[in-house]
Amino acid sequence: AQKVTQAQTEISVVEKEDVTLDCVYETRDTTYYLFWYKQPPSGELVFLIRRNSFDEQNEISGRYSWNFQKSTSSFNFTITASQVVDSAVYFCALSDSQDSNYQLIWGAGTKLIIKP
Amino acid sequence: ETGVTQSPTHLIKTRGQQVTLRCSSQSGHNTVSWYQQALGQGPQFIFQYYREEENGRGNFPPRFSGLQFPNYSSELNVNALELDDSALYLCASSLGGQRGSGRVGQFFGPGTRLTVL
Repeated sequence: AQKVTQAQTEISVVEKEDVTLDCVYETRDTTYYLFWYKQPPSGELVFLIRRNSFDEQNEISGRYSWNFQKSTSSFNFTITASQVVDSAVYFCALSDSQDSNYQLIWGAGTKLIIKP
Repeated sequence: ETGVTQSPTHLIKTRGQQVTLRCSSQSGHNTVSWYQQALGQGPQFIFQYYREEENGRGNFPPRFSGLQFPNYSSELNVNALELDDSALYLCASSLGGQRGSGRVGQFFGPGTRLTVL
């Protein structure tokens, strides 16, 4: 069965430090999709990125970057030069066509605290 | 482009009552999914509506029901409220049913915070 593991429950860093949030997934499918969402204290889930299993290129968007490694089933998220506004809970999610019928399977989330 | 909106923002009910939550999908989206998120946990899939029909359901009892209207807006109804129903209820819109939402991603509204006393 599919599973998404975010082993880091909470991370606390000082502003301007770099921080990496880990995501490890399990799926039997060869075609699957991975997502990262940010949930600030306001509660709304904000879509950050989508990646399909055939695209292993790393992606950079401003201070955000994502490292997709199929060999280790990981899709890690790095924030460079963190800012207080990055404080939020970050969720990694997976969907595939077989077991989940494209329903999102969510990790437990990592709470990121950026201290000034 | 209008984003996903939900109403009300907050709601307090007592055990045994019924509640209706509303969601307007993002412009152009024909699929709405509902999630329950308890404090400190990830979202749990309740069900999805695609073209006005239920198109997938999570592990929730029948007292959780929904509707989707021709304009693709949606309602979540919960009957016989229990204390454990206290949570943030999130609506997400997307295109193309489960396949589309699972491939492209979903866009979430701000949520409705339900408290059951």
